[in-house]
Amino acid sequence: QSVLTQPPSVSAAPGQKVTISCSGSSSNIGYNHVSWYQQLPGTAPKLLIYANDKRPSGIPDRFSGSKSGTSATLGITGLQTGDEADYYCGTWDSRLNIGVFGTGTEVAVL
Amino acid sequence: EVELLESGGGLVQPGGSLRLSCETSGFIFSAYAMSWVRQAPGKGLEWVSVISGSDGHTYYPDSVKGRFTISRDNSKNTLFLQMNSLRAEDTAAYYCAKWGNWNDKVLDSWGQGIQVTVAS
Repeated sequence: QSVLTQPPSVSAAPGQKVTISCSGSSSNIGYNHVSWYQQLPGTAPKLLIYANDKRPSGIPDRFSGSKSGTSATLGITGLQTGDEADYYCGTWDSRLNIGVFGTGTEVAVL
Repeated sequence: EVELLESGGGLVQPGGSLRLSCETSGFIFSAYAMSWVRQAPGKGLEWVSVISGSDGHTYYPDSVKGRFTISRDNSKNTLFLQMNSLRAEDTAAYYCAKWGNWNDKVLDSWGQGIQVTVAS
């Protein structure tokens, strides 16, 4: 059972922007860095954002992350059909002493 | 280039055991923590286990604690997951994942996944 809450789905037209929220608590997001992962259909997850707002090499700057208190947000600008995927936030829960993921958000490009 | 290749999955009866392996290359295996993450059909991601790189300290969620054991062989750059007393709810794709910086709590590379099905 996920301890981080995300909206089930978001959608927008090509070229538009979407944001995905990730809500947690003081023992997870409030205390540790947040990462974001993209899972294209039928493939393994891929790291998009780490340490709240940092992009690994090769990830375009259309993807951005932020964190405030016990919530985090992923932003995708200039939406493309290739961005259609499931997106998960993730962090460590210092009370449970294990990693935790969000419930996942499906991004649809209209 | 980091490569992670899982093996050992398959069909097993409830109550049975299975051992997953993850062969790695492209990085200094002993220097990094490693994890197993699973995804049940049509569901989200779930951390299954973590093992640190240096002292081999392990972490498990309550859902698998006492049944699953993560281990590593730094001489063979290989990660393992011993799964005992398997249940139908353990059916999932299991991913091997490499940690980045420990303080960032990030999984920066993932294997392609291996299917485990628990059914009679």
